[in-house]
Amino acid sequence: DAGVIQSPRHEVTEMGQEVTLRCKPISGHNSLFWYRQTMMRGLELLIYFNNNVPIDDSGMPEDRFSAKMPNASFSTLKIQPSEPRDSAVYFCASSFTGDPTDTQYFGPGTRLTVL
Amino acid sequence: AQSVAQPEDQVNVAEGNPLTVKCTYSVSGNPYLFWYVQYPNRGLQFLLKYITGDNLVKGSYGFEAEFNKSQTSFHLKKPSALVSDSALYFCAVRGGGGFKTIFGAGTRLFVKA
Repeated sequence: DAGVIQSPRHEVTEMGQEVTLRCKPISGHNSLFWYRQTMMRGLELLIYFNNNVPIDDSGMPEDRFSAKMPNASFSTLKIQPSEPRDSAVYFCASSFTGDPTDTQYFGPGTRLTVL
Repeated sequence: AQSVAQPEDQVNVAEGNPLTVKCTYSVSGNPYLFWYVQYPNRGLQFLLKYITGDNLVKGSYGFEAEFNKSQTSFHLKKPSALVSDSALYFCAVRGGGGFKTIFGAGTRLFVKA
């Protein structure tokens, strides 16, 4: 099993540019989560999809952030326009179902630096 | 509101000695508790979880954790630490039948040879 795949692994961009992060969940998993990790705030849930439908996006910081899941094997997190305070490591995770007892499996993360 | 506390930013232990990484939680309803480990420049790796049943849960790489309902704790343990166990450890909780996972701030474990 390839695990959760994220791309790119590293992204450096300038303030104001659009950034798109990509995630391929584990095959057969129907729940997908986007997290952001920073030193100041730790690990925060941004958005949760179940069966490709966004269930809870209350963690999305502001309208500059958007996420989509067009099919069961692909999701994107877009930041437009990007700002230096968006610099963080962004993780995608997936689980077999949305059941609270399920284990979430994390991808390797995308380290975003906004200059 | 759900919360998780990892009271130690860092734990230092000598190789071969037992290790404990502490975690306490607060949730409504039944807690579902998880431990993850993060190595540098890597994602979080699942170690173990408590859902129900036996209070002592065994997981990957020789780790175990003990669920204590009265003390609302879920401490991670290993009988004999290895240098390769040095990493960042996260405790996480879900409660109230919800999907939202709350992560602790993390505890950095240093195992000295």
